[in-house]
Amino acid sequence: LAKTTQPISMDSYEGQEVNITCSHNNIATNDYITWYQQFPSQGPRFIIQGYKTKVTNEVASLFIPADRKSSTLSLPRVSLSDTAVYYCLVGDAWAGGFKTIFGAGTRLFVKA
Amino acid sequence: DVKVTQSSRYLVKRTGEKVFLECVQDMDHENMFWYRQDPGLGLRLIYFSYDVKMKEKGDIPEGYSVSREKKERFSLILESASTNQTSMYLCASSSTSGSYNEQFFGPGTRLTVL
Repeated sequence: LAKTTQPISMDSYEGQEVNITCSHNNIATNDYITWYQQFPSQGPRFIIQGYKTKVTNEVASLFIPADRKSSTLSLPRVSLSDTAVYYCLVGDAWAGGFKTIFGAGTRLFVKA
Repeated sequence: DVKVTQSSRYLVKRTGEKVFLECVQDMDHENMFWYRQDPGLGLRLIYFSYDVKMKEKGDIPEGYSVSREKKERFSLILESASTNQTSMYLCASSSTSGSYNEQFFGPGTRLTVL
């Protein structure tokens, strides 16, 4: 299973765009990249998943370069409520055995 | 709305006790997971199950066992609780269909072993 490396913490201000980069040098051909968000006293919540290039949904964008050895989660115009821990995961999304390694995550703190 | 529930939010047990943590999902998901979360370590997978009566070890199965007798219910068992099992325990489920294999998490059970 590919291991991921991401910054331990980041600070931002309301209204700014936040980019969190995740390194996954040993990503395998079948691996997908998934990001989760976790608020205090809650379980993680799925944000976005991608395989290559760019994926966008109503919450975030995910940028994946051609070599797929890293990925960047982009949160547009963050607000105070985006303060949370963000986890980058890499794993084979085969339905029968989706084993995941969450790692320590990136703690994002959004200031007013 | 999808839902994963866990039997307790907070639990206090004594060393040596047998502890049962229950998880129920109402989404008819095939896959279910148990994680523990400790400060600075993120979430670590204990066990997962991809079908009734099927189970596979995750990264840290020692000291734990699981049971899945019904599709909607996945139980984590601590045969003899120890203080190093004090942690937040999170249950999750996912479907084998759909395009994302997204995991849905419960609110967690904070277990303290004295």
